[in-house]
Amino acid sequence: EAGVAQSPRYKIIEKRQSVAFWCNPISGHATLYWYQQILGQGPKLLIQFQNNGVVDDSQLPKDRFSAERLKGVDSTLKIQPAKLEDSAVYLCASSPGQGIVVETQYFGPGTRLLVL
Amino acid sequence: SQQGEEDPQALSIQEGENATMNCSYKTSINNLQWYRQNSGRGLVHLILIRSNEREKHSGRLRVTLDTSKKSSSLLITASRAADTASYFCATAQGAQKLVFGQGTRLTINP
Repeated sequence: EAGVAQSPRYKIIEKRQSVAFWCNPISGHATLYWYQQILGQGPKLLIQFQNNGVVDDSQLPKDRFSAERLKGVDSTLKIQPAKLEDSAVYLCASSPGQGIVVETQYFGPGTRLLVL
Repeated sequence: SQQGEEDPQALSIQEGENATMNCSYKTSINNLQWYRQNSGRGLVHLILIRSNEREKHSGRLRVTLDTSKKSSSLLITASRAADTASYFCATAQGAQKLVFGQGTRLTINP
């Protein structure tokens, strides 16, 4: 079974530029998550999709971050414009997600973003 | 907001010794999960313990859960160099949402 795929793996941009990350979840997984992990901290949930609907985006900085999940499969996360504090690893995860209680989440390798 | 608080933040032991990490949380949970993260990689699920369970084993891993104290511990027995990683507890608060702690950085010295 193929795992969660993410691209790019690394990205360096200057502040005020825009950047986009792509995620392809495990086939058949209904729920997709984007996390932000700042160095030395645990992952923080940015947005959660169930199929192509948003379940939770309470911690997404909506003035600069946006995300979509087309057709309930792939997802993109965009930052525009980027700030220095956006430097972090962006992790995508998926889960079968058919129940009401969260079970195991499967993580991709992450995209490491450096904003200069 | 962070839910789990891991203790210690960093742990360094000799290969072959046991490693114990603790996690405390604040609100009621459906289950608690432990994940491992090797440097520069994504997180890997280790074990899930439900709120009505007290102890669970998986290979060299042993997890306990005390819901009255809102705490959990992860024990890794007979540690190996390959166990060097960061370990995170995550609490499930329903609606498919996991909240992660800050993690424990474990170093196994040969």
